[in-house]
Amino acid sequence: QKEVEQNSGPLSVPEGAIASLNCTYSDRGSQSFFWYRQYSGKSPELIMSIYSNGDKEDGRFTAQLNKASQYVSLLIRDSQPSDSATYLCAVNSNFGNEKLTFGTGTRLTIIP
Amino acid sequence: DVKVTQSSRYLVKRTGEKVFLECVQDMDHENMFWYRQDPGLGLRLIYFSYDVKMKEKGDIPEGYSVSREKKERFSLILESASTNQTSMYLCASAMGYAEAFFGQGTRLTVV
Repeated sequence: QKEVEQNSGPLSVPEGAIASLNCTYSDRGSQSFFWYRQYSGKSPELIMSIYSNGDKEDGRFTAQLNKASQYVSLLIRDSQPSDSATYLCAVNSNFGNEKLTFGTGTRLTIIP
Repeated sequence: DVKVTQSSRYLVKRTGEKVFLECVQDMDHENMFWYRQDPGLGLRLIYFSYDVKMKEKGDIPEGYSVSREKKERFSLILESASTNQTSMYLCASAMGYAEAFFGQGTRLTVV
């Protein structure tokens, strides 16, 4: 089992709709969870971090964490064409040191 | 703002060469990481370091080594470059369990 798994996509969503991205992880001791956005040819940039169970909202973005189910999600409301990118889920594993592991990413396309 | 700087944006090397990729961060972060990114495979961790002179193997360390002699600098070394090491290499730094910040990436081509 991979340490961090994402729905592989690609995912296409109409402009103005809600995009939902999902991620599961294998290490129950993981402490911190991140969503990064990566445009083609660019480095990943952080869009959300979440450390405790529940929802965290920042503008049009909401991250949801459920540690019991080992599940992290990202919702993008009112999707815009500029949201078209690859979204990477990252988990900081608790193997004694702060190893940061990424999923393979989900490519999101917002259709105007 | 955190700044993570990688020494080269593009690099072309010959098979068998020893290659050094350098990464410098300016925020006194404890942790530094080297990843490679290939289409369809996401970011795969090569090595990470949690302190000066300390290192841990990631998921794909074979063919690579690292050096961290100063806190701000983390070097990735390809001992004898091979064509299957052609990839985008990304360096990142983080404080503890907090978010990581990335450099601009080095696109390495081995011919």
